[in-house]
Amino acid sequence: NAGVTQTPKFQVLKTGQSMTLQCAQDMNHNSMYWYRQDPGMGLRLIYYSASEGTTDKGEVPNGYNVSRLNKREFSLRLESAAPSQTSVYFCASSPGHSGNTIYFGEGSWLTVV
Amino acid sequence: RKEVEQDPGPFNVPEGATVAFNCTYSNSASQSFFWYRQDCRKEPKLLMSVYSSGNEDGRFTAQLNRASQYISLLIRDSKLSDSATYLCVVNSGGSARQLTFGSGTQLTVLP
Repeated sequence: NAGVTQTPKFQVLKTGQSMTLQCAQDMNHNSMYWYRQDPGMGLRLIYYSASEGTTDKGEVPNGYNVSRLNKREFSLRLESAAPSQTSVYFCASSPGHSGNTIYFGEGSWLTVV
Repeated sequence: RKEVEQDPGPFNVPEGATVAFNCTYSNSASQSFFWYRQDCRKEPKLLMSVYSSGNEDGRFTAQLNRASQYISLLIRDSKLSDSATYLCVVNSGGSARQLTFGSGTQLTVLP
């Protein structure tokens, strides 16, 4: 069972570089999410997509863009990386809008130098 | 004040011990509550939901006190494999986008 798959797992970027984190789920879920996790803080929602073709900002969207390419895939793009974006990024999905069941990918460790 | 607050620990306990974690939340309108487990350098995974009447799953017991706005997790007969960070998660609305995650409580069970 693949579940939620995200790539890359590790990445080092220089300030100002751009990159895209890829995420795919094979559970036929409608909703997908991107979170970041920083030391001493809870996971914070960057963007979410309630269904294919829709995206909305979460708590910390600045500096990021997203694309819900199809039902399976939800990518996160950093257009001009900054050291403040050094974090662990988790993609997640859920069957519907309910918060009762949410599944996470294994995480992407991003360092911006 | 953080919306969801947890004692970060670390809690270091011997095998077989009973350990309890508390979590407080600030939004009195919060609707649902969960405990997630996160192993080192891994993704969070749902441990259990927390119901008003309290619920038990093997060695784990979760309780909710709406009046005082806190949630607890009790682990009995701790195992080495229980070593992880436990995240308190609160849903202030009806959708997953309204989940608020605590920063976690780190537990290490010692042999």
